[in-house]
Amino acid sequence: QSVLTQPPSVSGAPGQRVTMSCTGSSSNVGAGYNVHWYQHFPGKAPKLLIYDDTNRPSGVPDRFSGSRSDTSASLAITGLQTEDGADYYCQSYDSSVSSWVFGGGTRLSVL
Amino acid sequence: QVQLVQSGTEVRKPGASVKVSCKASGYTFIDYYIHWVRRAPGQGLEWMGCINPKTGDTKLGPRFHARVTMTVDTSVNTVDMELSRLTSDDTAIYYCAKNSRRLNIAARDRFDPWGQGTLVTVST
Repeated sequence: QSVLTQPPSVSGAPGQRVTMSCTGSSSNVGAGYNVHWYQHFPGKAPKLLIYDDTNRPSGVPDRFSGSRSDTSASLAITGLQTEDGADYYCQSYDSSVSSWVFGGGTRLSVL
Repeated sequence: QVQLVQSGTEVRKPGASVKVSCKASGYTFIDYYIHWVRRAPGQGLEWMGCINPKTGDTKLGPRFHARVTMTVDTSVNTVDMELSRLTSDDTAIYYCAKNSRRLNIAARDRFDPWGQGTLVTVST
């Protein structure tokens, strides 16, 4: 059971916009700890996609955006492309366990 | 470029130990903590702990205090993570990742980049 809750899967057609949520609690996201997002293709190294809630590392297309409110965060992808099909994980810090924590991951299918 | 390269696939029997290596390049090795994260089949990512390559000090997740040992060899820019008393629940892909902040760790830190992962299978 992951500390951060993510929907197991989302899907969308090429060109569409999808969003995926990351729900936490008062000891992590709700406590003000930043949320980061990673894109993971099975068999590859996870890649940092969004950091500090809303920032994109160099090289990440602006089709990817992050937001955060209260105890949850969201990742949005616009202009969906087939190569966006991957697993997406959110990460934050939890003061109740003094550990960095992740969500269970959301698998994006591009139909 | 900054790169983390991990050791290869391991198979162990229950009760045994396994050591996974992570070799860093492309940056000042001793300046950044290295984290270990694992992903078991059907599960999400789980943070295991991290090590300060300069001092060898570690911070471990609550589920791993008794079974994880992390060591560093600065002569070859490598961090090792050893997990003991393995059970089938430890079957997972293990990743190392570089901390984003230089010289220290903080709650708001992220992990970038990551190693390619090491599959550890625990089976009779």
